[in-house]
Amino acid sequence: AQSVSQHNHHVILSEAASLELGCNYSYGGTVNLFWYVQYPGQHLQLLLKYFSGDPLVKGIKGFEAEFIKSKFSFNLRKPSVQWSDTAEYFCAVNPPSNTGKLIFGQGTTLQVKP
Amino acid sequence: SAVISQKPSRDICQRGTSLTIQCQVDSQVTMMFWYRQQPGQSLTLIATANQGSEATYESGFVIDKFPISRPNLTFSTLTVSNMSPEDSSIYLCSVVSRSAYEQYFGPGTRLTVT
Repeated sequence: AQSVSQHNHHVILSEAASLELGCNYSYGGTVNLFWYVQYPGQHLQLLLKYFSGDPLVKGIKGFEAEFIKSKFSFNLRKPSVQWSDTAEYFCAVNPPSNTGKLIFGQGTTLQVKP
Repeated sequence: SAVISQKPSRDICQRGTSLTIQCQVDSQVTMMFWYRQQPGQSLTLIATANQGSEATYESGFVIDKFPISRPNLTFSTLTVSNMSPEDSSIYLCSVVSRSAYEQYFGPGTRLTVT
């Protein structure tokens, strides 16, 4: 079945450590890719998106993601995390059907220790 | 970006009853969606709310259980009918912006069924 997979379910890092969260999808064709973040007690916010062009996209709060078409991947990175990055991170794919709907990965809980 | 409000923000309901959740957007949008986020899980798309016509439901969701209305381009309702404890979830409304094709999420409605 077509899906979105996030490999890390729970990640614990110390402040200043580097972060990489994996995301793979199984849809063929042209897809739009997103990373969302949900801070404790807050609603979902868009971190960054990829539609086309440069496969390395930069988002808010120092996050970036790289689209590797051959690997069907869209991994999220941040060189140095902060305690305030503690949150739930969701990868999402807008499949080629162009209906606007999003298919979400399982989510990754990031806990950053001060 | 779009500003989305949902009512109620939370509710506790008894088994067998129904709850209608409202979603209001501050601007006209073409696409509106309803998602469910069960405890500790990711987001699952329930349906696409179509203006002036019947909603388009995803596999596993039916109109009798989750009737949806969308009378205009800024408002939609989702009803959770004949509730059971398994319906305890956060229900989120989302919209797609015309200009950037980004999807924005409302704050969610936290439903607990006892």
